[in-house]
Amino acid sequence: AQTVTQSQPEMSVQEAETVTLSCTYDTSESDYYLFWYKQPPSRQMILVIRQEAYKQQNATENRFSVNFQKAAKSFSLKISDSQLGDAAMYFCAYRASSARQLTFGSGTQLTVLP
Amino acid sequence: ETGVTQTPRHLVMGMTNKKSLKCEQHLGHNAMYWYKQSAKKPLELMFVYSLEERVENNSVPSRFSPECPNSSHLFLHLHTLQPEDSALYLCASSQDPGYHEKLFFGSGTQLSVL
Repeated sequence: AQTVTQSQPEMSVQEAETVTLSCTYDTSESDYYLFWYKQPPSRQMILVIRQEAYKQQNATENRFSVNFQKAAKSFSLKISDSQLGDAAMYFCAYRASSARQLTFGSGTQLTVLP
Repeated sequence: ETGVTQTPRHLVMGMTNKKSLKCEQHLGHNAMYWYKQSAKKPLELMFVYSLEERVENNSVPSRFSPECPNSSHLFLHLHTLQPEDSALYLCASSQDPGYHEKLFFGSGTQLSVL
């Protein structure tokens, strides 16, 4: 069974600094997708970034980028120039290409310090 | 605004009560979902509806009963709940019912069972 592990329950970063959130996963599949979702205090989950496993190039979305290490089964999220609005719970998620459901990690609560 | 609205935002109920959670999506999507979010645990998929038909039920106890009267509305009927059912219940929708990609989430109902 696939599992997604986020080993950092809480992280903090100074405003304008860079922070990296860790995610590892366990799968026997070779083709899959990985995601990072953001859940701000409003509780609405928002898709931040998506990575296809067959692509070697790391996905980027403005200040958000990932470091995808397929051999290590690692998928970390880097947030550059952190802003107060980045404060949220961040969830890592996985989906095998042959499956329909997402498997989520337990989340990392990010605090941005002014 | 998210496009997916959930009511009520908060709900406190006794174990013998019957209540319903409501979700409405304004995005023209074909699939709707119920997720359960407990503290420090991964999101758990409960139910999936595609074009008003239930396509997945992840071994959810019968005290949770979903209803999808049309493609825009989804309900979760609750009865004789247990204290361990206290959690944030998130509704989501997506355009593609086949794969749980690009989910749009509501802000959730925070449920407390006394």
